[in-house]
Amino acid sequence: DAKTTQPNSMESNEEEPVHLPCNHSTISGTDYIHWYRQLPSQGPEYVIHGLTSNVNNRMASLAIAEDRKSSTLILHRATLRDAAVYYCILNKRTGNQFYFGTGTSLTVIP
Amino acid sequence: DAGITQSPRHKVTETGTPVTLRCHQTENHRYMYWYRQDPGHGLRLIHYSYGVKDTDKGEVSDGYSVSRSKTEDFLLTLESATSSQTSVYFCATNLGTNTEAFFGQGTRLTVV
Repeated sequence: DAKTTQPNSMESNEEEPVHLPCNHSTISGTDYIHWYRQLPSQGPEYVIHGLTSNVNNRMASLAIAEDRKSSTLILHRATLRDAAVYYCILNKRTGNQFYFGTGTSLTVIP
Repeated sequence: DAGITQSPRHKVTETGTPVTLRCHQTENHRYMYWYRQDPGHGLRLIHYSYGVKDTDKGEVSDGYSVSRSKTEDFLLTLESATSSQTSVYFCATNLGTNTEAFFGQGTRLTVV
């Protein structure tokens, strides 16, 4: 199984950018990098995913290192609603499995 | 919402009894997954399915079995529940590689 490593917790001030790092040194060439977030008492929610190139959507940006052994989720302006646990996940193309790490708990300070 | 319904949402059962959790989807997604979430462990994959009657084990499959007789339903069975299986269980679905996964709201199972 492919695991990721993330800091247990991070803090950010409201309306400031947040950079959430993830290490995935065991990634293989066909694994996609996904990010999900989970609010209390809810199921995880999709944020963004990519393979090699940096990706942007309305929620966030994903920066992928050239060697693909790490990635960074960027929230451009943190809001109180962004407080959640953020999971970096490797999506194995073979079998299409999703393996979660322990995630980063993001606290947004007003 | 992606049309994923988990039932029941809460259940308390006694040690040694069989328990079946149901995941129902209306999205016609090929892939379905069962995870458990415990404090300090994030979500761990129990079993997954890549089509009707096609299933495989995940990382914590001991004590669990699954069945998928229809595209829309994925059942997780605890043959003889133990206290270590007290957890929150999440179902997820996915259309295919390079697409997002959708998660249900979870089932809180307590084994006493």
